[in-house]
Amino acid sequence: DAKTTQPTSMDCAEGRAANLPCNHSTISGNEYVYWYRQIHSQGPQYIIHGLKNNETNEMASLIITEDRKSSTLILPHATLRDTAVYYCIAPGYLGETSGSRLTFGEGTQLTVNP
Amino acid sequence: NAGVTQTPKFQVLKTGQSMTLQCAQDMNHEYMSWYRQDPGMGLRLIHYSVGAGITDQGEVPNGYNVSRSTTEDFPLRLLSAAPSQTSVYFCASSYGGRYYGYTFGSGTRLTVV
Repeated sequence: DAKTTQPTSMDCAEGRAANLPCNHSTISGNEYVYWYRQIHSQGPQYIIHGLKNNETNEMASLIITEDRKSSTLILPHATLRDTAVYYCIAPGYLGETSGSRLTFGEGTQLTVNP
Repeated sequence: NAGVTQTPKFQVLKTGQSMTLQCAQDMNHEYMSWYRQDPGMGLRLIHYSVGAGITDQGEVPNGYNVSRSTTEDFPLRLLSAAPSQTSVYFCASSYGGRYYGYTFGSGTRLTVV
């Protein structure tokens, strides 16, 4: 697994974009980056993942730098319900069983304020 | 789809007792995993499976046993409960491979006294 580094906490105003950074400088060329979030006491929720191209879905956008050493998760219009711990994960390439093991770090506590 | 169903939601055990945490999914997912989460900490992988009949150890497997006889079910057995196993347990499943995320259950909150 590539080591990931995220800020411990961030704040964002409701309605504004939330930009959550993640450093994964040791990532290898075929490792995906995954983002999950965990709202208090609930099971984690998958958000998005990517390899080298920027990705967007109904929940968020993922921007990966060209050298792949860092990425940013963007919640375009944060709401109070987006308050959660956000985890950036680079689980490593395991061939056919890649993606079978996820290592959750401490994540970033995002607080969306009214 | 019910998604990932975990039972029970809450359980209190005495030290030395054994029990099985149930996990079932109805999405025909090949990959399934068990995690534990201690207060204020991230999730740690206990055991995982990449298909029926195939299981492997994760980061913290000691004191736990798993089997995967069907695609749908992945029970976690506590052999002899210890207070250190007090935690919230999450089961997760995925289609498998690098192209899919995991769906998590709502968790089982276990207290060992």
